[in-house]
Amino acid sequence: EADIYQTPRYLVIGTGKKITLECSQTMGHDKMYWYQQDPGMELHLIHYSYGVNSTEKGDLSSESTVSRIRTEHFPLTLESARPSHTSQYLCASSEVGTLQETQYFGPGTRLLVL
Amino acid sequence: EDQVTQSPEALRLQEGESSSLNCSYTVSGLRGLFWYRQDPGKGPEFLFTLYSAGEEKEKERLKATLTKKESFLHITAPKPEDSATYLCAAFSGTYKYIFGTGTRLKVLA
Repeated sequence: EADIYQTPRYLVIGTGKKITLECSQTMGHDKMYWYQQDPGMELHLIHYSYGVNSTEKGDLSSESTVSRIRTEHFPLTLESARPSHTSQYLCASSEVGTLQETQYFGPGTRLLVL
Repeated sequence: EDQVTQSPEALRLQEGESSSLNCSYTVSGLRGLFWYRQDPGKGPEFLFTLYSAGEEKEKERLKATLTKKESFLHITAPKPEDSATYLCAAFSGTYKYIFGTGTRLKVLA
């Protein structure tokens, strides 16, 4: 069973507020990812990290930022939330060094911006 | 362009009625093909990783197989608790995982 945690699980917030979505994993994985998922749609990569102090933007344009100061922690921040940010946000991690690099996912954060 | 297509989009089965879900992929340099189960409002739960054509993996009522162009998730004698969305994803290396849109499975008692 994967040990990857996300908080909060649900968040309702007003337009213009700053929010941080937390993600932690206890598996010691070097690679971590943030995805956005809308109902019935595929997962879209918004950020990823190869390790501490390494972050990159994914394929989906996003107004969010991430940081990776510790291996186990990969928070995502929205400086000014907008209704278009309403979505489910999924954090994942994978282990470098295995051929297939299986990704394990957290439970997700469902965000509603009013 | 790398692509993963899942079919059908939705599937309704009677309890005990076996069936298969399809995942077709066009990915250069496939390093892994993954199957996940996702319940509403939750994150994807890892089921299987396949790497080589001809490879098969089983877990309870589920069996995943892989060819050079597609993967199948076979569900034998499903139960209502198997109802979920099943996702497949192809990994081509570095950070790139290409996900399908999933098959929504409903198993009726």
